[in-house]
Amino acid sequence: DAKTTQPNSMESNEEEPVHLPCNHSTISGTDYIHWYRQLPSQGPEYVIHGLTSNVNNRMASLAIAEDRKSSTLILHRATLRDAAVYYCILRDGWGGGSNYKLTFGKGTLLTVNP
Amino acid sequence: SAVISQKPSRDICQRGTSLTIQCQVDSQVTMMFWYRQQPGQSLTLIATANQGSEATYESGFVIDKFPISRPNLTFSTLTVSNMSPEDSSIYLCSAIRSANEKLFFGSGTQLSVL
Repeated sequence: DAKTTQPNSMESNEEEPVHLPCNHSTISGTDYIHWYRQLPSQGPEYVIHGLTSNVNNRMASLAIAEDRKSSTLILHRATLRDAAVYYCILRDGWGGGSNYKLTFGKGTLLTVNP
Repeated sequence: SAVISQKPSRDICQRGTSLTIQCQVDSQVTMMFWYRQQPGQSLTLIATANQGSEATYESGFVIDKFPISRPNLTFSTLTVSNMSPEDSSIYLCSAIRSANEKLFFGSGTQLSVL
């Protein structure tokens, strides 16, 4: 899997937007950008994923740069429950079973202040 | 979505013993994976559990230490053999239905080896 670079930690205030950056300069044309988060004492959970176009769902938005070498996960109004480690992961969208797995980096620890 | 149940949720074991962790998914899935998360670290993939055949292990993990079974499309076990304190970690089961779908995770098994 291609490598991603994320800040080790970020801090935000409750009810403010949060922009979590991810750099992936060696991304290939078939790599999807996935975001997962891990709340304290829980397994990771899926947040969002995309290939080229910006994506929105009920949890977050994903903004993908035109050259795809970076992306930003946007939480529109952070809550205390959003405090977690956020992982940006690239996964090849083509090929066989070996492409199903996810390789986790260190992620970004998001702290949300009340 | 799929719900993954892991048992036990935590255990304290003696050095030299073995522990088998069970993972049950509430629906049929294509692939199942086992991850390890050492204290304060990110997730590391141990192996892919293949239904009806031997598991595929990642570099640094071997079958003798981490035997895995997957007798059907909804169930898998991971055994941590001949345990030492260095095996103290959270072990997480995950599953996916097909490529480009999200990965689901269990809540993990917290293992402490004395």
